[in-house]
Amino acid sequence: GEDVEQSLFLSVREGDSSVINCTYTDSSSTYLYWYKQEPGAGLQLLTYIFSNMDMKQDQRLTVLLNKKDKHLSLRIADTQTGDSAIYFCAEGNFNKFYFGSGTKLNVKP
Amino acid sequence: DAGVIQSPRHEVTEMGQEVTLRCKPISGHNSLFWYRQTMMRGLELLIYFNNNVPIDDSGMPEDRFSAKMPNASFSTLKIQPSEPRDSAVYFCASSLQAIYGYTFGSGTRLTVV
Repeated sequence: GEDVEQSLFLSVREGDSSVINCTYTDSSSTYLYWYKQEPGAGLQLLTYIFSNMDMKQDQRLTVLLNKKDKHLSLRIADTQTGDSAIYFCAEGNFNKFYFGSGTKLNVKP
Repeated sequence: DAGVIQSPRHEVTEMGQEVTLRCKPISGHNSLFWYRQTMMRGLELLIYFNNNVPIDDSGMPEDRFSAKMPNASFSTLKIQPSEPRDSAVYFCASSLQAIYGYTFGSGTRLTVV
């Protein structure tokens, strides 16, 4: 499958901003997503962005897409302890998507 | 809607036994996906169905794995015979259109001893 890469861990203090990064290789990707996985649960869709957009904001979440560099980021403003989870980026077309390995976000009080 | 429902939540079985994992997608969703999650390999797409028809099974590891979707509201993933390296969390997900992303079930944690 296509390569989707993420750093494995990120640790921030409560109230700070978190930035989770993702790079991918498929230049034909139409949709890009961010999912959140809490312990013992399935993945929950957080937000998505189309490949013809470069930014999307949704409350505390900001997604930035640099299509030229194939780089996607998720910024969480005012990070809370409840944001501690594993975050996955995913990219693809139609119905076939490839997921990164996930970034474990640890929020320290 | 109750979401994507998977059963069982946990399964412990002995090597060589047959294992069947079950999934009920969200009503009205026309695509269904089976994923496997391990620490070593992350999330791997095993197979996906569109309108109950298998579209891409290139991720199925080997002939020991098989999946069926006899109707729009039910799918199974079978492993026969099971091996310890099959131990993983298996997720089922469904979607209506790609733009809306997938809805994942809570997963089945399989342990083969």
